[in-house]
Amino acid sequence: DQQVKQNSPSLSVQEGRISILNCDYTNSMFDYFLWYKKYPAEGPTFLISISSIKDKNEDGRFTVFLNKSAKHLSLHIVPSQPGDSAVYFCAASGSARQLTFGSGTQLTVLP
Amino acid sequence: DTGVSQNPRHKITKRGQNVTFRCDPISEHNRLYWYRQTLGQGPEFLTYFQNEAQLEKSRLLSDRFSAERPKGSFSTLEIQRTEQGDSAMYLCASSSTGPLNYGYTFGSGTRLTVV
Repeated sequence: DQQVKQNSPSLSVQEGRISILNCDYTNSMFDYFLWYKKYPAEGPTFLISISSIKDKNEDGRFTVFLNKSAKHLSLHIVPSQPGDSAVYFCAASGSARQLTFGSGTQLTVLP
Repeated sequence: DTGVSQNPRHKITKRGQNVTFRCDPISEHNRLYWYRQTLGQGPEFLTYFQNEAQLEKSRLLSDRFSAERPKGSFSTLEIQRTEQGDSAMYLCASSSTGPLNYGYTFGSGTRLTVV
C-alpha cells in the first residue's frame, strides 16, 4: 500500500531551465508535505515543506505546490543548476509525525 | 552542534550475527526516529522516541529488532540473528516537537551488509 508515489524514477533537465518533480498521495489525513534531497552516501537533506492549509510555498529557487483535491504536489526548481543533481524524495506526515516517503526521482541537470 | 551522527558508517556481518548501531541526535531535539532504506526505495519508518519513551513501532520492526534511547539522549538499534534481507541503509533522524516546517534532520546512515 504505497501512500506516497513518485511515478518518474528519473528526470533530465538542461541547466538554467525549470525542473518539475511530481508526487501523488492517497491519504487525505496527511497534513504536512516535505521534499528532501539525497546525494549518494549521505542522508536525506530537508529542502522545503508545505502545510495542507496552503497551496504554495517558496524558498529561493524552490517552490512547492499542493493541489489537495487532486492529492498531488510538485516541486519546481528554477533555474536548475548542475549541483541540483540528486535523488529527490517527496514525504508526507500525519498526526503521528512519522514521515511516509515516495520512492524518489533522480534529477540530472545537464550543463 | 555537528548534526545527527551515526556510527558505524558501514558494517559487514555474517548471517546470524548480532549488530548494534548508534545514533547521536542534535542535542536540543527530543524526538528521534529510525528509518531503513533499501536500493531504489524511499526511507521506511521503523520506530520513534520522544525523549526516552518509544512511542511507535512499525510492523517492519520484527522481534529481532530492538531500539533504545536511555536517558533521552543517544539511541541504539540492535538487530539479532541478522538475515540477508536486513541488508539496507539504516537512517537516524531527530526533530523538535511541533510543526514540521523544517522537517527532520537525518544522519548519514549506517550501511549494513549481511553476507
